[in-house]
Amino acid sequence: DAKTTQPPSMDCAEGRAANLPCNHSTISGNEYVYWYRQIHSQGPQYIIHGLKNNETNEMASLIITEDRKSSTLILPHATLRDTAVYYCIVRAPRNYNSGSARQLTFGSGTQLTVLP
Amino acid sequence: KAGVTQTPRYLIKTRGQQVTLSCSPISGHRSVSWYQQTPGQGLQFLFEYFSETQRNKGNFPGRFSGRQFSNSRSEMNVSTLELGDSALYLCASSLAPDDTIYFGEGSWLTVV
Repeated sequence: DAKTTQPPSMDCAEGRAANLPCNHSTISGNEYVYWYRQIHSQGPQYIIHGLKNNETNEMASLIITEDRKSSTLILPHATLRDTAVYYCIVRAPRNYNSGSARQLTFGSGTQLTVLP
Repeated sequence: KAGVTQTPRYLIKTRGQQVTLSCSPISGHRSVSWYQQTPGQGLQFLFEYFSETQRNKGNFPGRFSGRQFSNSRSEMNVSTLELGDSALYLCASSLAPDDTIYFGEGSWLTVV
């Protein structure tokens, strides 16, 4: 699976939009971009994923560049509860040779701190 | 709908003992995977089960094993515990292997 590069930390003011970048310049055509976040001592929480098009759900928006080499997760109105480590992951679909799905490979993520 | 449930949430074991952790996936999910998280190594994949069969395995010693039952519930076992096995063990489930993976809250294992 393609590797991702994220800034180690970012700050954001409460109520403002948080824009978290991710570089995945070696992404393959069939690999999806997934975002998870992990609040201290809890399991990772799924946020959003996409392949080519921009995606939006109740939690966030995902903007993927046209060449798919980078993406940005946008939390439109950050709150203190959004303070967490955010992981950007690229994941290929099923390995048809083995029948198994590709597991999630987590990097170091971005520590987002929302400031009051 | 209930999320992924892991038990126990916290446990302390002594070196050399064994431990079994349990995971109940989201209702209807048939794929279960396990991850280990430590401060030094981050989140690492242990194994994945689908239809009671192990489909994928990470780079862990044979002391780490697991299984999946016909109701999709899963257990993982670590034998001959070492201090370095102290970690947060996360179970995750998905409808099928290619689908979005959802994590439980984890089981905190401390080996003393």
